This record gives sequence, C-alpha cells and structure tokens, in this order.
Amino acid sequence: EDKVVQSPLSLVVHEGDTVTLNCSYEVTNFRSLLWYKQEKKAPTFLFMLTSSGIEKKSGRLSSILDKKELFSILNITATQTGDSAIYLCAVDSGGGADGLTFGKGTHLIIQP
Amino acid sequence: DAGITQSPRHKVTETGTPVTLRCHQTENHRYMYWYRQDPGHGLRLIHYSYGVKDTDKGEVSDGYSVSRSKTEDFLLTLESATSSQTSVYFCAISESGEGYGYTFGSGTRLTVV
Repeated sequence: EDKVVQSPLSLVVHEGDTVTLNCSYEVTNFRSLLWYKQEKKAPTFLFMLTSSGIEKKSGRLSSILDKKELFSILNITATQTGDSAIYLCAVDSGGGADGLTFGKGTHLIIQP
Repeated sequence: DAGITQSPRHKVTETGTPVTLRCHQTENHRYMYWYRQDPGHGLRLIHYSYGVKDTDKGEVSDGYSVSRSKTEDFLLTLESATSSQTSVYFCAISESGEGYGYTFGSGTRLTVV
C-alpha cells in the first residue's frame, strides 16, 4: 500500500520566520511528487518534482526531492500571515490516471 | 475555479437516505476524481473516471457509487448515508491523468445526522 507521511502535522511560527515542511513516501512506483496549498477551499498546485536534487522555486517557496532517501521538503522563507494554510504533499505513483496518494497535511499558522 | 463546479456546496441529510453530489466541468478533461477529506486522514480517493462510462474504485469506495454518462458530469452517490460519511468531498479533474494537471473543485461539506 502506498504511503505518504508529512511532518510536522501542525506548526505555529511568527511572521518572518523560515519554515521547513517534510514529506516522506513509500510507493510501489514513483512518477512525481506534488505540493499543494489549501486555504479554506480547494487545494491549489504549488510544485511538481520528478528528478532528484532539482530545486523548484516560486518566490519565497522552494522544494527539493531526494529520490534515494524517498523524501521531499518544502521551504518557505520570510513567512507572511497569508502563508497560513494546510500544505499537502501527494505522490503520483505512476498510475496517474487512478489518482494521487496524499499525506495528512501540515497545518501551518503564521502569527503576526 | 470556474472550470469545475460542485453542487451542492453544503448539505445536511439524515442517516439512511441516499445522497448525490455533482461535479460539473467545462474543460472537457478526460479524468475526473472524487476525494474525501477528513481531519487526521488527509485526502483519500473514493472513485475515479477515465472516460465516459469508465470508472474505477479508489481507496475508500465502500458505500459509494459513481456514474459518468457524459464527459462534463461525474456524480457521486451515497446509497444509504451513514454518520461516518460526514466529510468534505472534493472533485478533481485532469486532462492527462498526471498529478500536476489536477484542478480541484471548491468542495461539498456533507453532514449526516
């Protein structure tokens, strides 16, 4: 059974701090790992990673994948209150047509 | 997202009643998915469709059925609702079936009393 584990499950930091969110996985096949941000409604896509060691960046957010050690991290620098959300990690295990396997998410709260 | 809408947005129903949730897309995407999201469990796949009349079960399909009679609509039916099916239900669409192409609907909050 495919498994995706995120840590921590919740995190409270102050505005301006840097945070690192973790995602480890065990899957039978691996095609890609994805990060989503979920505020009050639908998850929105952040990054997709397919190759080890390549960093994806978008503004203050960045992510890297380690396919050997089977994990990924999502970094957010200079956090803002608008970064408060649930961050979801998901793995596409090659049968992309039959859905993604999601972790439980990290609930990030940024305090002013 | 304007390309995918779910209805209803909220629903309260009684135990034992049938309930149908609708997902409608205007993107003409081939793949459609139903997930449920519960505290402590994340998003879990219920059923998915890879074309008209082509559907398959996901991780938590017991107690649910789906139908897709046309490309734009994917219906999720709870045949006899139970309190354990109280959840937020998300529909997603994908053109290619690959994860980066997923677009999620805004969700349906279902409460079974």
